[in-house]
Amino acid sequence: DAGVIQSPRHEVTEMGQEVTLRCKPISGHDYLFWYRQTMMRGLELLIYFNNNVPIDDSGMPEDRFSAKMPNASFSTLKIQPSEPRDSAVYFCASSPIGGPGETQYFGPGTRLLVL
Amino acid sequence: QQPVQSPQAVILREGEDAVINCSSSKALYSVHWYRQKHGEAPVFLMILLKGGEQKGHEKISASFNEKKQQSSLYLTASQLSYSGTYFCGTRTGNQFYFGTGTSLTVIP
Repeated sequence: DAGVIQSPRHEVTEMGQEVTLRCKPISGHDYLFWYRQTMMRGLELLIYFNNNVPIDDSGMPEDRFSAKMPNASFSTLKIQPSEPRDSAVYFCASSPIGGPGETQYFGPGTRLLVL
Repeated sequence: QQPVQSPQAVILREGEDAVINCSSSKALYSVHWYRQKHGEAPVFLMILLKGGEQKGHEKISASFNEKKQQSSLYLTASQLSYSGTYFCGTRTGNQFYFGTGTSLTVIP
């Protein structure tokens, strides 16, 4: 299996622009997670989906952030408008049936820099 | 709600042992341990479920004390490849949080 795939791997954008991060989970995994990692705040869970349905989005920082999972093989995390404080590494992870308490397989991450 | 790890950082010589602790203020259903090398994604090490179990993976093992809401990761006879940041992840109901992280450096 190819593992979790994320794109782009690096993104540099200017404040105010829309940013879309993409994730393809491991085939057959029912759970998909979006995380953000910064030096100051560590790893934060933003949102997770079960069978394409958002289960917990309490970690989404504000209305500028939105996430969708239109089908079992694709998810997006969108930031509109972006701000410099959104600069971070964004990880997508997927997990087989069993929920957030099960093993999570992480993608390589998207390094976002907002100028 | 974020679990607290201790120590924050540790430096070991090859062959030495280390213990990393993870404490939560909430009752835990499960604890995960991950290792992340610089510039890479976290990699799963092991999961411990409610019931106070102990697990091992080569020379890395862990315990989970649900009454104390704590877990510990034990690294024995450390190798250079053990260097990285170790995170615990805890599940409480449908909530999942990563710990504050412990930076481990193994030197020759």
